[in-house]
Amino acid sequence: QSVLTQPPSVSAAPGQRVTISCSGSSSNIGSNFVSWYQRLPGTAPKLLIYENNQRPSGIPDRFSGSKSGSKSGTSATLDITGLQTGDEADYYCATWDNRLSAYVFGPGTKVTAL
Amino acid sequence: QVQLVQSGVEMKKPGASVKVSCKASGYTFTTFGITWVRQAPGQGLEWMGGISTYNGNTNYAQRVQGRVTMTTDTSTRTAYMELRDLKFDDTAVYYCARENVDGFDTWGQGTVVTVSS
Repeated sequence: QSVLTQPPSVSAAPGQRVTISCSGSSSNIGSNFVSWYQRLPGTAPKLLIYENNQRPSGIPDRFSGSKSGSKSGTSATLDITGLQTGDEADYYCATWDNRLSAYVFGPGTKVTAL
Repeated sequence: QVQLVQSGVEMKKPGASVKVSCKASGYTFTTFGITWVRQAPGQGLEWMGGISTYNGNTNYAQRVQGRVTMTTDTSTRTAYMELRDLKFDDTAVYYCARENVDGFDTWGQGTVVTVSS
């Protein structure tokens, strides 16, 4: 059972926008940066977002991350705009948890392009 | 280019040990730590722990603490993860990944470990 919460699935038509939420607590998201990973079927995870909203080189700006409200907000969001069929994958949020002294992943959200 | 290449498929019996390797190329090995993540069938990603390639310091997840050892060989730019006393629910794909700032920016291709009697 993860200490981070994500919706099991989200879907939208190609070209539309999807939003994936990641909810945690003061010991994890509230205190540390959030990163997001994409896992396409049969492949290794890929870093999409780090430090809440930074994209590694090569990641299109259709992918954006944010952390809610104040600096100590306890939820984060990944937005995918202009959804493509090639974006169908599982998406995981992740961060360090100070109480557990462990890196924690969310349970993952399956994105489907209808 | 930056690359992590892992060792191949492993099939083990319960109680045995497995040692997975992760060979790095394309960057200065001791500049970035290596973390290990696994994914059991139908499950999400689980962080197992990480190792500093600079000084060998390790940090293990509580769930595998006592059964896991992570090491590196800087001469061959290779990281290792050994898991002992294997159980059926250790069946998973095991990944190594490079730790960069606040994210794991490069991943190995994954190593399938199956624990079966």
